[in-house]
Amino acid sequence: GAVVSQHPSWVICKSGTSVKIECRSLDFQATTMFWYRQFPKQSLMLMATSNEGSKATYEQGVEKDKFLINHASLTLSTLTVTSAHPEDSSFYICSGLAHEQFFGPGTRLTVL
Amino acid sequence: QKEVEQNSGPLSVPEGAIASLNCTYSDRGSQSFFWYRQYSGKSPELIMSIYSNGDKEDGRFTAQLNKASQYVSLLIRDSQPSDSATYLCAVDMDSNYQLIWGAGTKLIIKP
Repeated sequence: GAVVSQHPSWVICKSGTSVKIECRSLDFQATTMFWYRQFPKQSLMLMATSNEGSKATYEQGVEKDKFLINHASLTLSTLTVTSAHPEDSSFYICSGLAHEQFFGPGTRLTVL
Repeated sequence: QKEVEQNSGPLSVPEGAIASLNCTYSDRGSQSFFWYRQYSGKSPELIMSIYSNGDKEDGRFTAQLNKASQYVSLLIRDSQPSDSATYLCAVDMDSNYQLIWGAGTKLIIKP
């Protein structure tokens, strides 16, 4: 299957700071990438759909000004959590679309 | 409301037996169906995709799709302890590559 990487794999930050997460498709071009969040013992929650060269489409209830998504190239999408708070602590996972969705390894964010 | 339903489990199966995981979905017009495996603390990994009625086999895994009854299942033959994970069923209901996810079934293979 297609390979997607994420960086960093984990991050700890102080409340009020911003954190950027990178999602890269390594062996294919991903016109579309998806960003998910997963809380412990819960299923995946789609946050937004990221399309190269255009604005991301956010799911209902997801603040676009808080979760900034940039998809400037066919192999890179970034998610920036702005002014992070402890309730933003979660497992953030991206996927790249290559006919099917292939997931990155995820980024575990802890906000103190 | 677009929904994908799975039994949360846990489903406990002896090693070497067949594990059977089931999933139902709400939208009769759905065309694409996927099974992902997720180990604790890890991201989902695509196991099987199926698009047509019937069975699709890949190694020890068989996906079964019945569009008339709106269910899709995953069979794991010769279950191994390493198969212990949560299995997520996902359906593309609008043919736009956005997936509707089930809550997952936790599978435990007992040695």
